[in-house]
Amino acid sequence: RKEVEQDPGPFNVPEGATVAFNCTYSNSASQSFFWYRQDCRKEPKLLMSVYSSGNEDGRFTAQLNRASQYISLLIRDSKLSDSATYLCVVNTGGYNKLIFGAGTRLAVHP
Amino acid sequence: SAVISQKPSRDICQRGTSLTIQCQVDSQVTMMFWYRQQPGQSLTLIATANQGSEATYESGFVIDKFPISRPNLTFSTLTVSNMSPEDSSIYLCSVEKGIQETQYFGPGTRLLVL
Repeated sequence: RKEVEQDPGPFNVPEGATVAFNCTYSNSASQSFFWYRQDCRKEPKLLMSVYSSGNEDGRFTAQLNRASQYISLLIRDSKLSDSATYLCVVNTGGYNKLIFGAGTRLAVHP
Repeated sequence: SAVISQKPSRDICQRGTSLTIQCQVDSQVTMMFWYRQQPGQSLTLIATANQGSEATYESGFVIDKFPISRPNLTFSTLTVSNMSPEDSSIYLCSVEKGIQETQYFGPGTRLLVL
């Protein structure tokens, strides 16, 4: 079983749609959680950290369920510019090793 | 955040040769990381490089194949030795900064081995 699992997609949605991505992780000792965004042929960039209480940043909402070892990302009012691959990332502690999911591709169309 | 540059941005190499990739960050950082991203796949950590100590390699990666230098707190190099076509990949360095120990990535080095 992969340490971090994501649905690879692609998710094809129209502008203005709401889309949700899910991610599960296997290591119950994981301490920190993130969503990164990676555009085609670019490096990953931090989208947001994920906190136990859930957190929101504009159109983006992240949730963490430690009991189920589950992380989600909700994007509201999708824009064309949201088209990218979204990487679920888990920090397992120790020397801050990040484990990356394979990514979920999002394509927003007019 | 951090501003990170990598050199070269891309290269095409012959099998059996070696390539050294440089990573420069705009401020002092304790931990630097080297990742590989193979075509269509996610990132895999190669090693963690701390200044003044030997790099720590992940399972499946060895120092003879991927020697790393970390001469100071703003710079690191990764060498891909005795390259084969299977080494064709994007190599990214990252640094850890901030209260939340967020990792920031360099733009990557695209390597094609013929």
